[in-house]
Amino acid sequence: KAGVTQTPRYLIKTRGQQVTLSCSPISGHRSVSWYQQTPGQGLQFLFEYFSETQRNKGNFPGRFSGRQFSNSRSEMNVSTLELGDSALYLCASSSVVGQGAQETQYFGPGTRLLVL
Amino acid sequence: GQQVMQIPQYQHVQEGEDFTTYCNSSTTLSNIQWYKQRPGGHPVFLIQLVKSGEVKKQKRLTFQFGEAKKNSSLHITATQTTDVGTYFCDPRGNYQLIWGAGTKLIIKP
Repeated sequence: KAGVTQTPRYLIKTRGQQVTLSCSPISGHRSVSWYQQTPGQGLQFLFEYFSETQRNKGNFPGRFSGRQFSNSRSEMNVSTLELGDSALYLCASSSVVGQGAQETQYFGPGTRLLVL
Repeated sequence: GQQVMQIPQYQHVQEGEDFTTYCNSSTTLSNIQWYKQRPGGHPVFLIQLVKSGEVKKQKRLTFQFGEAKKNSSLHITATQTTDVGTYFCDPRGNYQLIWGAGTKLIIKP
C-alpha cells in the first residue's frame, strides 16, 4: 500500500496570507489527524476527521480549519498567517477514529511551512 | 492544553550505553503509543501500551506503562547508531494534551 502523502512538501508564505495543505491517507483509512511540529513545542494536535466529520479538536485558534472529503482526503487551511505558524505540519491516518482507539497512526512526510 | 511531560529533553550517550526516556501525565491515559522520529523524518509507530503495569519488549527496547496509567517509559539497552532520533509518547485518549518535545537521543562521537 502507498503511504500517507502530503502536498506541497515545502511552502513559503508571507504574514497575512492564507495557505491550504493537502493530505491523502493510506487507502482504506478513514481517519485523518493533523499535527503541528515546532522545535520548541513538539507535536501539537490540531484536529481529527473521520468520515468527513471533525471528531476531535486541539487548542488552536479559529484561523486553523480543516475538512475531509468523501474519498478521505483531507485539507487543512490556515488563514491570516503569522510568523509563529512556521512549522512542520504532519498528517496521520488510521483506520479508526481516535479518543482511546487502539489503532496505529501512520504519518506522512509533512509540509514545511515558512512564514516571512 | 495540558502537556505531557517527557524527560529528559536530550540525552547524550556513548554507543553501547543504555538510554531511558520518561513520559508523565497528570491525568489518566486510556492508552499510550510510542513513536520514533529520525532526523529529517516523520514519526514512526513503535508500540502501544494499554493495560496498567504493562511491559512490552522489542529486541533492545523495553516499554512500560505505569500502574496508575499516568506515566510510561522507554528503555533502550546497548544503544546503537541506528537508535538516533527523537522518541515521542502519544497520550491517546485526551486530545487536549500536547505530545511534548520528545526526548532526543544523541550518540557521542
